Amino acid sequence: QKEVEQNSGPLSVPEGAIASLNCTYSDRGSQSFFWYRQYSGKSPELIMFIYSNGDKEDGRFTAQLNKASQYVSLLIRDSQPSDSATYLCAVSSSASKIIFGSGTRLSIRP
Amino acid sequence: GAVVSQHPSWVICKSGTSVKIECRSLDFQATTMFWYRQFPKKSLMLMATSNEGSKATYEQGVEKDKFLINHASLTLSTLTVTSAHPEDSSFYICSAPDHQGPDTQYFGPGTRLTVL
Repeated sequence: QKEVEQNSGPLSVPEGAIASLNCTYSDRGSQSFFWYRQYSGKSPELIMFIYSNGDKEDGRFTAQLNKASQYVSLLIRDSQPSDSATYLCAVSSSASKIIFGSGTRLSIRP
Repeated sequence: GAVVSQHPSWVICKSGTSVKIECRSLDFQATTMFWYRQFPKKSLMLMATSNEGSKATYEQGVEKDKFLINHASLTLSTLTVTSAHPEDSSFYICSAPDHQGPDTQYFGPGTRLTVL
């Protein structure tokens, strides 16, 4: 079983709509959860991090965490073509070691 | 936010040669840095944890004699790929924890290694 699982996509969303990205993890001891955005040929860029159950909003982005279900999600409101990228879910249990999911490719169509 | 740089951004070398990649934290000190490798359309795989002043900690399956890591100062870690082969061709990325939290990391821009 993979430690962090994501649907590889591609997920196609019309411009202006809400994009919903999902992630599940296997280690119940995980404490920190991250969403990174990665453009092709570039390194990952941190978008959001969340530590507590519930929602965390930052601009057009909302991260949601449900530790009981071992589920993390990222919502992108008012999707823009520039949001087209691969989104990596990452989880950390201890010692700053971060485990990445395989990523979901998001495509925003004009 | 914190800035991490890598050099070179890309390198092409012949099979059997060694390649050194530098990772620098530009505006903060990093006692720990992490080295990842990413193959095309795959996720980041942690290779090793670089510790300032001590030996690196390697993940299972990563050859420590092939991937030499040196963390000589609080702002510099180097990864040397020794006797590189075509299967070592990959995107190598370093990261360092930032002040936002012990688990929050900022990534360098990556180094594209191509071994002919």
